[in-house]
Amino acid sequence: GAVVSQHPSRVICKSGTSVKIECRSLDFQATTMFWYRQFPKKSLMLMATSNEGSKATYEQGVEKDKFLINHASLTLSTLTVTSAHPEDSSFYICSARTSSGTAQETQYFGPGTRLLVL
Amino acid sequence: RKEVEQDPGPFNVPEGATVAFNCTYSNSASQSFFWYRQDCRKEPKLLMSVYSSGNEDGRFTAQLNRASQYISLLIRDSKLSDSATYLCVVGQAAGNKLTFGGGTRVLVKP
Repeated sequence: GAVVSQHPSRVICKSGTSVKIECRSLDFQATTMFWYRQFPKKSLMLMATSNEGSKATYEQGVEKDKFLINHASLTLSTLTVTSAHPEDSSFYICSARTSSGTAQETQYFGPGTRLLVL
Repeated sequence: RKEVEQDPGPFNVPEGATVAFNCTYSNSASQSFFWYRQDCRKEPKLLMSVYSSGNEDGRFTAQLNRASQYISLLIRDSKLSDSATYLCVVGQAAGNKLTFGGGTRVLVKP
């Protein structure tokens, strides 16, 4: 099946630093990638939808200047958490959808990145 | 009201027993429905899509009731390995976004 990778799998950083998370579709082209955040014992919350070659669409309440998303190619999207603070500590998960996707198309999830901001 | 609601559980299930739980969704225009499984500290993995006529995959049976806006999942002959959080996921036509429920935790015990 389709494979999506994320790097790094976990990161610990100091407050105020920026952290970049990569999401790659390994065996298919993903015109659309999604970034989610999951706090402990909570559901996945969609942060933004990223379409290749265009600006990401952010969900309400998600600061686009804090969570920078770049989707420069059909196999790579990056999420940069700028000036991270302890409240940004979370499990960040990306997913990718194939170019032929419809409403019925499923998304393939990456393994997630666990961010801890000290 | 949350867009997708689930009983958080946990459902404590004896090994070999049957367990069933529902999920309700608020958007009547929702077009696609899925059950995902998430193990502790892991990413969600697709368990099965849910079709209008209901569908079965081995020990797992999913049903969709559009009139009442709920979907259900039934697990027969529960295995210890079925212990996980089951996420109800609803797809919207606009932007093909998925909305996740909070998950139902299932614990299968010997």
